[in-house]
Amino acid sequence: KNEVEQSPQNLTAQEEEFITINCSYSVGISALHWLQQHPGGGIVSLFMLSSGKKKHGRLIATINIQEKHSSLHITASHPRDSAVYICAVGRDNTDKLIFGTGTRLQVFP
Amino acid sequence: KAGVTQTPRYLIKTRGQQVTLSCSPISGHRSVSWYQQTPGQGLQFLFEYFSETQRNKGNFPGRFSGRQFSNSRSEMNVSTLELGDSALYLCASSLTGTVSYNEQFFGPGTRLTVL
Repeated sequence: KNEVEQSPQNLTAQEEEFITINCSYSVGISALHWLQQHPGGGIVSLFMLSSGKKKHGRLIATINIQEKHSSLHITASHPRDSAVYICAVGRDNTDKLIFGTGTRLQVFP
Repeated sequence: KAGVTQTPRYLIKTRGQQVTLSCSPISGHRSVSWYQQTPGQGLQFLFEYFSETQRNKGNFPGRFSGRQFSNSRSEMNVSTLELGDSALYLCASSLTGTVSYNEQFFGPGTRLTVL
């Protein structure tokens, strides 16, 4: 079993839909990262969080440390949100990032 | 401020050759991490350098090595290339060490194809 699991693997949405991507992990962590990767490969860091909730524009990330679960929400989705969203955890005592397999999101107009 | 740059962007090599990839971090960043991304394995951590010292290493064979210079620029080297080394190699920089809880700024990647 992978230490970081994401769901769903693929997601198709209509513009303006509310989107949720989930990430579950099985190890102790120091922080959780949400990353966005567009076609072509470039990766952008969206959030880094170790507790609670963060918001940036239409993006919201939450984490529940007790349940070892995080969600990334996109409100009022737009075709430009189409990308692969990757969850990564910084594992306790190792200072390495462990990555989920990513969620491929396509938003259609 | 200029972002993280990687050179070359694309590279084609044959089995058995060696390759060196370069990464220039954001000015002032002292930590550089390297990652391999393949369709089968996804993103995997290779190693991290801070102030010219390798601080962490992932589960990759000794054919994968790296170094960091005094100006924080980093290189990674893969010797005796295998077909399975074909991948997108990404580097990321951060202001300080501790990859786990510092925001990582990624470069565009080097796409390596091994024939």
